[in-house]
Amino acid sequence: QVQLKESGPGLVQPSQTLSLTCTVSGLSLTSNSVSWIRQPPGKGLEWMGVIWSNGGTDYNSAIKSRLSISRDTSKSQVFLKMNSLQTEDTAMYFCARSHYYVMDAWGQGASVTVSS
Amino acid sequence: DIQMTQSPASLSASLGETVSIECLASEGISNDLAWYQQKSGKSPQLLIYAASSLQDGVPSRFSGSGSGTQYSLKISGMQPEDEGDYFCLQGSKFPLTFGSGTKLEIK
Repeated sequence: QVQLKESGPGLVQPSQTLSLTCTVSGLSLTSNSVSWIRQPPGKGLEWMGVIWSNGGTDYNSAIKSRLSISRDTSKSQVFLKMNSLQTEDTAMYFCARSHYYVMDAWGQGASVTVSS
Repeated sequence: DIQMTQSPASLSASLGETVSIECLASEGISNDLAWYQQKSGKSPQLLIYAASSLQDGVPSRFSGSGSGTQYSLKISGMQPEDEGDYFCLQGSKFPLTFGSGTKLEIK
């Protein structure tokens, strides 16, 4: 069955770069798109960006200057990198299989705290 | 960006009660709307897409409707397992934008 799993450091220092990995199974990244979504503690969801099945990307304009999404299809992995982290970037970060806005399989989430 | 105004922010319902959650888009979104349920400490799960299409495996007591800028999610007969947070998501234009969420509890 389709599975996604996020991994990465739980703690990042302010101004540093966040690197997260989404490892997928049961699906091919060359025929499926993957979105990243984040959720600050006790708050709502924010769509961050998507990597399409053809390798193209789209980003939320609010964070586009800091964000990069890439992939390694041979390893079934999607990567998120976001620089210049601040405390307001503290959140649970999810990856999800996406058919545009229809996200039918989600990872468990990776908790990221930005603190010195 | 398209703004999604979701209401109510919180809702308390008795078992068996029918509840509705609304999302109002700042412009027409042509039924490109999905509803997600998120239980405490879990990742969101897809309930409805294309405004009214039920995702496989989702109980038929969930239904979606709407058009243009106004959309709603209805739960016909509240069950204990329906407690959680509900979010709408518009997919008409990038960036995709979520509603602010509705916390649904058992009365």
